[in-house]
Amino acid sequence: AQSVTQLGSHVSVSEGALVLLRCNYSSSVPPYLFWYVQYPNQGLQLLLKYTSAATLVKGINGFEAEFKKSETSFHLTKPSAHMSDAAEYFCAVSGGGGFKTIFGAGTRLFVKA
Amino acid sequence: NAGVTQTPKFRILKIGQSMTLQCTQDMNHNYMYWYRQDPGMGLKLIYYSVGAGITDKGEVPNGYNVSRSTTEDFPLRLELAAPSQTSVYFCATEGVGNTEAFFGQGTRLTVV
Repeated sequence: AQSVTQLGSHVSVSEGALVLLRCNYSSSVPPYLFWYVQYPNQGLQLLLKYTSAATLVKGINGFEAEFKKSETSFHLTKPSAHMSDAAEYFCAVSGGGGFKTIFGAGTRLFVKA
Repeated sequence: NAGVTQTPKFRILKIGQSMTLQCTQDMNHNYMYWYRQDPGMGLKLIYYSVGAGITDKGEVPNGYNVSRSTTEDFPLRLELAAPSQTSVYFCATEGVGNTEAFFGQGTRLTVV
């Protein structure tokens, strides 16, 4: 069985500051891990994914995430926040093949000018 | 290439009414899903399908039904709407061998 925990339902950063959104997972099989972004009144879009290749994964819009098996974590980072990054971010896990992905509760990112 | 299309975008239902949320995809994906999204709760899987003619329950199936007569369409049926079904509903698809889901724009449903 898989599960995902996102630490912090809301995160607020200043424009230009580091973005760090935390995600821990539980999986009984080697996991596939994802970060999705949701802008207001839209569906979810894939930001990046880990599928057992490189542990540091680069995604769109300057985001990246590192898979740390020892810590069962997959935290999302971006060196410098932009106003357009304000959205809700979902961490997700599946048991492989992306089937029946389990989503975290989401973290809403606020970016202050 | 439209991807995943959901209709309607918004709907208000009275308690006890029924409706069908439509989902159509043009990516020839085998896997299709219905999720509901409630504030602070992430996405909960309602029903899923691994191919035409095959459907199965997800985490929160009560009060809903689905069918999958074609690869393209996966409608979600609410028979007796209840206030607890007020939510935003998302349809998603995955192809065999693909590793991520593709989402529709969502249907915002309010039951009053």
